Amino acid sequence: QVQLRESGPGLVQPPETVSLTCTISGDSVTNGGYFWSWIRQPPGKGLEWLGYVYHTGGVTYSPSLRGRAAMSVAASKNQFSLSVGSVTAADTAVYFCARSAAGPYYYFHMDVWSEGTMVTVSS
Amino acid sequence: QSVLTQPPSVSGAPGQRVTISCSGSSSNIEKNYVSWYQHVPGSAPKVLVYDNNKRPSEIPDRISGSASGTAATLVIAGLQTGDEADYYCGAWDSGLSGFVLGTGTKVTVL
Repeated sequence: QVQLRESGPGLVQPPETVSLTCTISGDSVTNGGYFWSWIRQPPGKGLEWLGYVYHTGGVTYSPSLRGRAAMSVAASKNQFSLSVGSVTAADTAVYFCARSAAGPYYYFHMDVWSEGTMVTVSS
Repeated sequence: QSVLTQPPSVSGAPGQRVTISCSGSSSNIEKNYVSWYQHVPGSAPKVLVYDNNKRPSEIPDRISGSASGTAATLVIAGLQTGDEADYYCGAWDSGLSGFVLGTGTKVTVL
């Protein structure tokens, strides 16, 4: 059974960088059959896909975060990470990590999700 | 500013059938497969349907999905109190080169 668990700082001051980590159990981040995604949900709003990282380090970012986000893989820890720079109150959200089968984009969907961690941006 | 539009809410009595629509465009739903997710706040979202109409093995067949042109539909038959949740459609957008999620629909069981 694949499980994902994210960890993060909880509270971040603007305009710092927030860094989140997702730890995988029951699978390997080096499994070439999957992409590893980040999604967030601001309070009272819907889900927003942020991007994915592949085990090779290849990444695809959502247009909304391009230029501020960085995703990476830590194979030795079986983790993948998200960093968002120059945060503002608009980055306050519950952040989820998820797994997607690698392959043609028209098949893209998330089949395993984490429970989410709250990140609040406030001074 | 999601590119996939859903009704904010739908409701039904236990045992009834509810339909959730998802309206997109030629760069997402018409070109790529749609997936649907159930999210109970405070828990992990769960995929209900992928590739327009396929269900993971643990999802009952009273839940079904379809897509035609630039629109997709999720049907929940035999509504149960446990179906109260937020539901999101999703699809890859070839124009944006990213995955897009719908605006979300809250299902209430009366």
